[in-house]
Amino acid sequence: SAVISQKPSRDICQRGTSLTIQCQVDSQVTMMFWYRQQPGQSLTLIATANQGSEATYESGFVIDKFPISRPNLTFSTLTVSNMSPEDSSIYLCSAAGAGGAYGYTFGSGTRLTVV
Amino acid sequence: DAKTTQPTSMDCAEGRAANLPCNHSTISGNEYVYWYRQIHSQGPQYIIHGLKNNETNEMASLIITEDRKSSTLILPHATLRDTAVYYCIVRVGGRDDKIIFGKGTRLHILP
Repeated sequence: SAVISQKPSRDICQRGTSLTIQCQVDSQVTMMFWYRQQPGQSLTLIATANQGSEATYESGFVIDKFPISRPNLTFSTLTVSNMSPEDSSIYLCSAAGAGGAYGYTFGSGTRLTVV
Repeated sequence: DAKTTQPTSMDCAEGRAANLPCNHSTISGNEYVYWYRQIHSQGPQYIIHGLKNNETNEMASLIITEDRKSSTLILPHATLRDTAVYYCIVRVGGRDDKIIFGKGTRLHILP
């Protein structure tokens, strides 16, 4: 089955700084997504990462705060900008149809703590 | 918003069948029901999906009512490793393909 790798797996960052999270899929996929999971909560969709065009953001999420790149069909990055403690969450990358799988495949996530 | 409702938590004895219900009364004819689970500190894992027929794979069975307004995920012989949060999701598909997670059901398998 397809593998999605995220880097870093965890990080502790100072408020006001930015962190870029990388997501690598081991097969070409049409659709990639970024989710946030706050402590003890379910997953919230941040945006759809579109290859070759601007990401499509869900309500409550903006490009200035969460810029996303998708340069090709296997790779995407999410940046969490100007971080505050409220951004402390797990950030997960997902891909649809990776390796021919049904549904979505998820990475293991990036655990971010902002101090 | 999520189009599904699930009980917040459930208990099941080890070795028994775990039956997890889900309501999706506003589901459209071309929308699939997907089930995922999330074991602590891991990303969600795909379990099974279906449109209107019952489905079975090596992990679970999915029973969808004839009116498609509800479904049940069945883990036939639950083990301690099945302790997880289980998410029932309606997948839109097509150009707007994305999955929106609800709150899920926290399943506790009791020894």
